[in-house]
Amino acid sequence: EPEVTQTPSHQVTQMGQEVILRCVPISNHLYFYWYRQILGQKVEFLVSFYNNEISEKSEIFDDQFSVERPDGSNFTLKIRSTKLEDSAMYFCASSESSKQYFGPGTRLTVT
Amino acid sequence: DAKTTQPPSMDCAEGRAANLPCNHSTISGNEYVYWYRQIHSQGPQYIIHGLKNNETNEMASLIITEDRKSSTLILPHATLRDTAVYYCIVRVERRSKSTFGDGTTLTVKP
Repeated sequence: EPEVTQTPSHQVTQMGQEVILRCVPISNHLYFYWYRQILGQKVEFLVSFYNNEISEKSEIFDDQFSVERPDGSNFTLKIRSTKLEDSAMYFCASSESSKQYFGPGTRLTVT
Repeated sequence: DAKTTQPPSMDCAEGRAANLPCNHSTISGNEYVYWYRQIHSQGPQYIIHGLKNNETNEMASLIITEDRKSSTLILPHATLRDTAVYYCIVRVERRSKSTFGDGTTLTVKP
């Protein structure tokens, strides 16, 4: 079965640094999402992306965050200046219509 | 999106059916019921979804009450690998986000 892939699996960065998390959605999917999960907490929606633009974003997704689909395959989440509280698992998801397929996640640790 | 209510935890004996309930009394007519699970800190895994009819696939069955205010996910023969957090989510199809609650932690015991 096709899978969503994410790189890196674990990213350690210092506070204030920029990070880019990468995702390769399933090839024929049209809808793309980022979620995050702080350790021990719920999975939280960040942003959805369709037709090369953001279709919905949460309160968490402030000016420090941005998303991009730079080519036909990758979908990236950029955090411009990381904070300690950005430490979390970040999940990318994609869907064609009904089912959302989630990637394995990137564990981001901000020190 | 409609809010869902699930018990925080359940146990099930290996080989027995696991029945996980979910209440979604404020569900709208165009909202589907989705079930996902998360094993440890892995990405959530799609299990099944439905609108109003009962659904079955290779993983599970979904029973939705006639008034659509509640549903039950059934794992017919639970194994130790089914130990996970199970999320019931109500959403419109296509581009809408999934709103995760706390889910039900299912522990399958030998």
